[in-house]
Amino acid sequence: KQEVTQIPAALSVPEGENLVLNCSFTDSAIYNLQWFRQDPGKGLTSLLLIQSSQREQTSGRLNASLDKSSGRSTLYIAASQPGDSATYLCAVGDQGAQKLVFGQGTRLTINP
Amino acid sequence: NAGVMQNPRHLVRRRGQEARLRCSPMKGHSHVYWYRQLPEEGLKFMVYLQKENIIDESGMPKERFSAEFPKEGPSILRIQQVVRGDSAAYFCASSQTTMTEAFFGQGTRLTVV
Repeated sequence: KQEVTQIPAALSVPEGENLVLNCSFTDSAIYNLQWFRQDPGKGLTSLLLIQSSQREQTSGRLNASLDKSSGRSTLYIAASQPGDSATYLCAVGDQGAQKLVFGQGTRLTINP
Repeated sequence: NAGVMQNPRHLVRRRGQEARLRCSPMKGHSHVYWYRQLPEEGLKFMVYLQKENIIDESGMPKERFSAEFPKEGPSILRIQQVVRGDSAAYFCASSQTTMTEAFFGQGTRLTVV
């Protein structure tokens, strides 16, 4: 059974810092991995999708990497801004199961 | 191109009533997924549907819950005889294929009183 863990559970940093969010998964047989952002009381916004054959994806100030063999992904946020404050969710597309398995999320606060 | 549309956004039901949650996928998407987010918990998969077919319902509670995605119209998640423990945010997602990006709706927040 696939399990996804995100560390840390919460993170608070001053504005302008570069930061890394971590995600690990127990079964390396995955279709893909997706990072989402969730604002309080809102839905999920897709940030980046990495296919199992890819090593990384970039979008603006965000960069996500995938190391299937070690069961890890990282989300790198450059030059953080207060508007980046949200909960960041990592989700693994389970091979053959056609569903996403989510981590518990990292609650990020960027202080002005 | 509108995103995934869910309605209602908020739903209040008394114990024992029925709750119907609707989801219209993005245009061109034929794969629909329902997830539940209990208070202070992560999102959990419930069911995966394609038009007129339930593909995977391994995350659905065995009783009171059902889902459909008819040939015409939105996907419906139906909860019969709701209990307080059903209070949660229910999210619908859609994708073009099983390999492509999943897009989520804003969710329906169900409160059972």
